[in-house]
Amino acid sequence: EAEVAQSPRYKITEKSQAVAFWCDPISGHATLYWYRQILGQGPELLVQFQDESVVDDSQLPKDRFSAERLKGVDSTLKIQPAELGDSAMYLCASSSRTGGRETQYFGPGTRLLVL
Amino acid sequence: KQEVTQIPAALSVPEGENLVLNCSFTDSAIYNLQWFRQDPGKGLTSLLLIQSSQREQTSGRLNASLDKSSGRSTLYIAASQPGDSATYLCAVRADSSYKLIFGSGTRLLVRP
Repeated sequence: EAEVAQSPRYKITEKSQAVAFWCDPISGHATLYWYRQILGQGPELLVQFQDESVVDDSQLPKDRFSAERLKGVDSTLKIQPAELGDSAMYLCASSSRTGGRETQYFGPGTRLLVL
Repeated sequence: KQEVTQIPAALSVPEGENLVLNCSFTDSAIYNLQWFRQDPGKGLTSLLLIQSSQREQTSGRLNASLDKSSGRSTLYIAASQPGDSATYLCAVRADSSYKLIFGSGTRLLVRP
């Protein structure tokens, strides 16, 4: 069964450093999501792509976070500079839409610890 | 602004017990509601998805109900097993977008 791939699985960095996360969605899925999940909370959407275009980035802290999906396939989320409060799980999800119905499939996540 | 609340935040039960997890949402204009399972340090696995026109969905020992007018959903787990131990999250999708709004989850521990 096809899965969403993410790397790295774990990342430890010092504050003010740059970090990058990669996501490879399920083949053929046009929609890709990045979520941030702080420990003990539910995931919160950071950015949504439809193919290579950003559909929703209203919750993305644009002063330090950036996301791209250049060819409409895999995606990279970058943080520069990282802050202590960025420690969280970063989840990627992808979906396809059939007749208005959609199911999001989640990757295993990247756990970030900022020291 | 849609808000999703899950009660209780944590639950510990002995093996074999039937249990109910609760989810409430403030805006009834939803397209669907989904229940997910998350194991520690892992991603999310979709368990059940209920369209706004549906009242319930069943999969094995799991049954999810939806009362859209009152803004409530429940996840019923029958004959709980230690392997059911995980965090259970509910999420709603608004009519107007594909964005999912999640609750904070219920951490379930099933004791052998």
